[in-house]
Amino acid sequence: GQNIDQPTEMTATEGAIVQINCTYQTSGFNGLFWYQQHAGEAPTFLSYNVLDGLEEKGRFSSFLSRSKGYSYLLLKELQMKDSASYLCAVMDSNYQLIWGAGTKLIIKP
Amino acid sequence: SAVISQKPSRDICQRGTSLTIQCQVDSQVTMMFWYRQQPGQSLTLIATANQGSEATYESGFVIDKFPISRPNLTFSTLTVSNMSPEDSSIYLCSVEDGTGGSQPQHFGDGTRLSIL
Repeated sequence: GQNIDQPTEMTATEGAIVQINCTYQTSGFNGLFWYQQHAGEAPTFLSYNVLDGLEEKGRFSSFLSRSKGYSYLLLKELQMKDSASYLCAVMDSNYQLIWGAGTKLIIKP
Repeated sequence: SAVISQKPSRDICQRGTSLTIQCQVDSQVTMMFWYRQQPGQSLTLIATANQGSEATYESGFVIDKFPISRPNLTFSTLTVSNMSPEDSSIYLCSVEDGTGGSQPQHFGDGTRLSIL
């Protein structure tokens, strides 16, 4: 079957750096997406990786290793507004998105 | 990216009734998706709606319970029929941003549905 694993919850301090990991086993691979979802709101698109390596976008970076079935989302200079759930999703060989359960990130002052 | 308007934003319904959720996009899109997100859980795809054809339902979801319309390239509706408390959830529509290959999906604000 297809599976995506993320930690359920993480806690970090304002101003610090946090890394949210995602491992996946899917039928084929056509890219990995990270979304941010604030409580009570819809998910918003953060990043897309299809090739190995690091994609940087401001304070957020996303890394992919296809051979290891592994990705991480790196958040730098954490702000209180970064408190949210972060969803990892993989597009399989049928171009269908497989969603992880999400990681709830709690930022403390 | 496309602007997606979803309504109603929330509703409280009686058991056994039906509710239709509307999703309007400000540009023409080929594929629209309907998801359910139960409290504290991730997204579950209900069906994919293409204009001019029957929606494609995922395992565990059937047309009689979740009929979908897609009359044109900018609009879709999802009906939650004969509701029970187990249908209490957030329902989200999304569209792919662009065509071809792997495109990110963008979401409407969701409909928060509570069934008494």
